[in-house]
Amino acid sequence: DGGITQSPKYLFRKEGQNVTLSCEQNLNHDAMYWYRQDPGQGLRLIYYSQIVNDFQKGDIAEGYSVSREKKESFPLTVTSAQKNPTAFYLCASSETGRRGQYFGPGTRLTVT
Amino acid sequence: ELKVEQNPLFLSMQEGKNYTIYCNYSTTSDRLYWYRQDPGKSLESLFVLLSNGAVKQEGRLMASLDTKARLSTLHITAAVHDLSATYFCAVLRETSGSRLTFGEGTQLTVNP
Repeated sequence: DGGITQSPKYLFRKEGQNVTLSCEQNLNHDAMYWYRQDPGQGLRLIYYSQIVNDFQKGDIAEGYSVSREKKESFPLTVTSAQKNPTAFYLCASSETGRRGQYFGPGTRLTVT
Repeated sequence: ELKVEQNPLFLSMQEGKNYTIYCNYSTTSDRLYWYRQDPGKSLESLFVLLSNGAVKQEGRLMASLDTKARLSTLHITAAVHDLSATYFCAVLRETSGSRLTFGEGTQLTVNP
């Protein structure tokens, strides 16, 4: 089955530690995205990549980093510079062009 | 900067009733998407509206797009409890490939 996987589902970290969230897709989509969702709010774009080895900052990139070494993988690192990292993180992918985005199941990150 | 506003943000309705959720956006776009999110879950694609006047229907939900008014509506007919969820509209940012801007979401509760 084609789809997007994110791991882990839940992640707990101590303040000051970097943490990497995994996102893998087997849909052969060129574009991939990372969003953050806070309770009761909409999605905000962190980073996106439209092609391998290239990515751009979204609206709230500070304190985050990404890489896109393979078409199917787009990991997100939440660094210690991110002031409020506790949130629900969603990865998405899409074909090039203007089709909709498909979302992974999400990772809920809690930093204490 | 593209802004997307949904109203209402909270909607409590009785089973069997009809209601409409509105999605207004601030700049030109001819692609609009509706998603559903259940509590603690990811986003599920409902509708993709590709042109002015587009209307899509699936079960008790019908979505429409008026690009001249920069308005999309999601109409619920004879609501049932299973429709309880948060509904998001998202608008394609014309100048940035396949990036989307999301509304804040409308939290719908259907009471027996």
